[in-house]
Formats: sequence, C-alpha cells, structure tokens
Amino acid sequence: DVKVTQSSRYLVKRTGEKVFLECVQDMDHENMFWYRQDPGLGLRLIYFSYDVKMKEKGDIPEGYSVSREKKERFSLILESASTNQTSMYLCASSPPGGWYTEAFFGQGTRLTVV
Amino acid sequence: AQSVAQPEDQVNVAEGNPLTVKCTYSVSGNPYLFWYVQYPNRGLQFLLKYITGDNLVKGSYGFEAEFNKSQTSFHLKKPSALVSDSALYFCAVRDSLAGGYNKLIFGAGTRLAVHP
Repeated sequence: DVKVTQSSRYLVKRTGEKVFLECVQDMDHENMFWYRQDPGLGLRLIYFSYDVKMKEKGDIPEGYSVSREKKERFSLILESASTNQTSMYLCASSPPGGWYTEAFFGQGTRLTVV
Repeated sequence: AQSVAQPEDQVNVAEGNPLTVKCTYSVSGNPYLFWYVQYPNRGLQFLLKYITGDNLVKGSYGFEAEFNKSQTSFHLKKPSALVSDSALYFCAVRDSLAGGYNKLIFGAGTRLAVHP
C-alpha cells in the first residue's frame, strides 16, 4: 500500500510563528502536492513539486513556501502564521504518467493559529 | 480553465436506497475525472476515475459513476446505500500543465448522510 504520512494530526500555533508541516511518502513518487481544505471551498492547491529541489506555485501560494530536499519528503512552511491560515492541510503524492494517475493523500494536519 | 461543480452541499438518503452525488465539469479537451471520499478525520481516498472508454465506471466500495458527455456530468452512484457510506465526497478533474505535469482541481465537496 502507498503510504503518505504527515507528521502531525493537530497543531496549535501562535500568530507570527514559523510553522513547518512535514510530509513523507514511501512509493518513490515524483509528484507531491500540498492542498488546504476549507468548508465550502473544497481543496485548493498551495504548491506542488515534480522533482527534488523543484517547486511550482499552485492557486494560493501567498504566505507559504515549500522545500523538497529529498524525493520522499515535501515540507510546507508558513513563514509567519496568521489566523486566516487556520485550516486542514493535506499532502498528496502521485507517480509520473501525466493524465492517467490518481493521487494518494495523507491523513491531514488540522492547524489552528491563535 | 478546467473546473468541476458539485451543486449539492449535502445529500440525505435512507439506508438501502440508491444514492446519487452530482458533479458537472467544464474542460477544454478530453476530461479526466475522479471521485474521492473523505471519512471523518481522515485524508482523501480514491474511489474511481474516468479516463476513456465505457461511460459507466466501477470503483471501490460498490460505487460507480456515469460519464455523460452531452450533459458534462460525472455523477457518483450506488445502488444501495450503507450508513458507513456517510462521508464527504469530492469530484475532481485533471488539469494539465506545461511540461506534461498534472494536478487535480477539486469541487467544493458534498456531504452524504445515510440514515438508518
């Protein structure tokens, strides 16, 4: 079974803190993604990466950055957390294959910024 | 731009009855469509996908989806609902990017409640 593991299920951070969300996948997938999930808005793509040290902005990258130093690990960084970043964050990975493949998701990290 | 719409925030159905969760899409070119399910406090799980071929796609847990090109729809169905099917369901469409990469664009989600 493909496994995508996010380091924390729940996090509470203070406004202005630098926050790291970690994601590890064990299937040697090239593609990795970070989404945030908000009620009524579905999932929105923050950043994605298709190779080590490569990153691309998604639809809502403002206030976030990412790091991919190793193929299996993709980190999401909130440079200075704000209350409007309170959300569920989902990491996903997928193999190459262009149009054919589905994505595999981690269990999510519910982040609360106070 | 590619998009999907899920017109219902919530669907209520009695256990044993058939269920339908609706999804419509807007794409340029051929649509590649997916359904995912999210159980409480869990990540998303893949249910099924339509790439090409038969308009009726069978997936996990007894779910199926019907692709209708003329109506630009991809509705999720199950002949007999279970209480354990209660969850949040997302429709998604593949969006292609430069360089042959792809991402998923998700609908807002539909909460399915199956009552005993």
